[in-house]
Amino acid sequence: EDKVVQSPLSLVVHEGDTVTLNCSYEVTNFRSLLWYKQEKKAPTFLFMLTSSGIEKKSGRLSSILDKKELSSILNITATQTGDSAIYLCAGNNYGQNFVFGPGTRLSVLP
Amino acid sequence: DGGITQSPKYLFRKEGQNVTLSCEQNLNHDAMYWYRQDPGQGLRLIYYSQIVNDFQKGDIAEGYSVSREKKESFPLTVTSAQKNPTAFYLCASSIGSTSGARISTDTQYFGPGTRLTVL
Repeated sequence: EDKVVQSPLSLVVHEGDTVTLNCSYEVTNFRSLLWYKQEKKAPTFLFMLTSSGIEKKSGRLSSILDKKELSSILNITATQTGDSAIYLCAGNNYGQNFVFGPGTRLSVLP
Repeated sequence: DGGITQSPKYLFRKEGQNVTLSCEQNLNHDAMYWYRQDPGQGLRLIYYSQIVNDFQKGDIAEGYSVSREKKESFPLTVTSAQKNPTAFYLCASSIGSTSGARISTDTQYFGPGTRLTVL
């Protein structure tokens, strides 16, 4: 059965800290891995990763995929209180299915 | 503006009632999805549709039904058979292009969600 695991499930840091969120996947016919940020309501898209070893960056956020280890990390540098959210990781396969992890709840304290 | 909309934002249901959640998109996406999110948990797939007039069960389809009569619309009915329907429901869509027997998908775009509460 396909599954996605995230760690830690919950994380509390102070502004300015750097955090690394982990995602590991077991997805049959894997195509891509996606990261989302969910604040109060619907998730918003952050990154889609299809190739191993190529870092994607957006401001203070970056992510990379390791297909050999079946994993991905999401880094946030110089965290701000606005980064507080649930970060969801999802594996996508060629069978039109997205498998979501449980999410990491990040709290950034001032 | 292109996007995906859900209504209502909040819905209250009495036990034993069926309710229908609306999801509409004007992104010209082929694929649409319904997820359920419970507090502290990730998204779980209820149903998905790759094309008009076709849909497939997800991981937790029991107690739910869908239809896909138009490309833009993918309503979800929560029936009285669903034992624990109180949750946050998210609809999503993606391009979902087909290539022979293999179907590839792009990023999913989510609607704002509907919070259903059973009284």
